[in-house]
Amino acid sequence: SAVISQKPSRDICQRGTSLTIQCQVDSQVTMMFWYRQQPGQSLTLIATANQGSEATYESGFVIDKFPISRPNLTFSTLTVSNMSPEDSSIYLCSVTGGRNGANVLTFGAGSRLTVL
Amino acid sequence: DAKTTQPPSMDCAEGRAANLPCNHSTISGNEYVYWYRQIHSQGPQYIIHGLKNNETNEMASLIITEDRKSSTLILPHATLRDTAVYYCIVRVVLGGDMRFGAGTRLTVKP
Repeated sequence: SAVISQKPSRDICQRGTSLTIQCQVDSQVTMMFWYRQQPGQSLTLIATANQGSEATYESGFVIDKFPISRPNLTFSTLTVSNMSPEDSSIYLCSVTGGRNGANVLTFGAGSRLTVL
Repeated sequence: DAKTTQPPSMDCAEGRAANLPCNHSTISGNEYVYWYRQIHSQGPQYIIHGLKNNETNEMASLIITEDRKSSTLILPHATLRDTAVYYCIVRVVLGGDMRFGAGTRLTVKP
């Protein structure tokens, strides 16, 4: 399965600022996904990022708040804009890949953001 | 994708088998059952998946009922390192994203 590196692994941010999270994959993948995990909660899909097209956002998430770039088949970024304490979460990048034909998701370790 | 129902928490004694149930009564014929786990402060980790036959790998066994409306993940000899939140997900195999429910928090106790 793919190996995913996320940066930063954690950060403490000030209210009103923006932070860009990077996701690097060791192989070319078509579909990349960004998830958010709020404290004590399960994972929620933010958007799907395909190379060469605009990201597709889930209900409740908008491009102005979470702009995504997907410049090539191994890299993507998620920006959390104009942050507030409610944005304090773990943000996870994931990709699909074959595992005995299972097309499972592989996740990065996540980026833990704390907004003060 | 169909929804799943899991108990919010379970305990298991170290060395014993951990049996984690999942209900997916509205599963479609082309949807697989996937299990993931998330150890504290890590990203979710794939465990196993299946369609209708029982499956086993180096991590666990998956038992799916004949009507496919429920399944059980079995960790045959639980260790303290198996303490995690376990997620049961149903999805078509060629599907993209996965939708996570609340999962079961398994605590393995010495």
